[in-house]
Amino acid sequence: DAGVIQSPRHEVTEMGQEVTLRCKPISGHDYLFWYRQTMMRGLELLIYFNNNVPIDDSGMPEDRFSAKMPNASFSTLKIQPSEPRDSAVYFCASSSDRGLEETQYFGPGTRLLVL
Amino acid sequence: AQKITQTQPGMFVQEKEAVTLDCTYDTSDQSYGLFWYKQPSSGEMIFLIYQGSYDEQNATEGRYSLNFQKARKSANLVISASQLGDSAMYFCAMREGGRGADGLTFGKGTHLIIQP
Repeated sequence: DAGVIQSPRHEVTEMGQEVTLRCKPISGHDYLFWYRQTMMRGLELLIYFNNNVPIDDSGMPEDRFSAKMPNASFSTLKIQPSEPRDSAVYFCASSSDRGLEETQYFGPGTRLLVL
Repeated sequence: AQKITQTQPGMFVQEKEAVTLDCTYDTSDQSYGLFWYKQPSSGEMIFLIYQGSYDEQNATEGRYSLNFQKARKSANLVISASQLGDSAMYFCAMREGGRGADGLTFGKGTHLIIQP
């Protein structure tokens, strides 16, 4: 089975540009999470969805960040306009609460550098 | 207060020795889950082991076991017979609330280096 898929794997952009990160969760998973990892703040939850509905976006840094999940197999995290302090690794993860398994499986991450 | 505390920023261990990575947590919820992830230098997050708050037995997965001491709010990861490939960052994480609910809160991690 394919794991969580993220694209692009690397993104270099200039300050002020729009950045869109993409995620395809594991088929059948009904939870999708976006995390950000930086040296200063470690791994932190940005937002998560259940059945395509945003449940908790309290971790989203500011209005420049937005996330959508138009269907069960696709989500985007958009930063507009981007700033150098947004440079980080962005992870998408998915999970299911059916049965005994509730582990969150992570994608490979998108390494974002904003110049 | 930090919800997940990993007190060992870095550890050096000889190959084939057992390793214990410390993790303490703070929650007032009765239902919660504890996880350990491995992050090698390549950057991916690899799930290792899970312990539910109501699980009476300590979780085990191959060479990994979780020493769960609920009263002490401790969830240490034990790696038996360490290998060079175990060198990586290790993160302890907690999910509070009911199953599936909410994201994970991560500790700052422990950088484990296995020496030949």
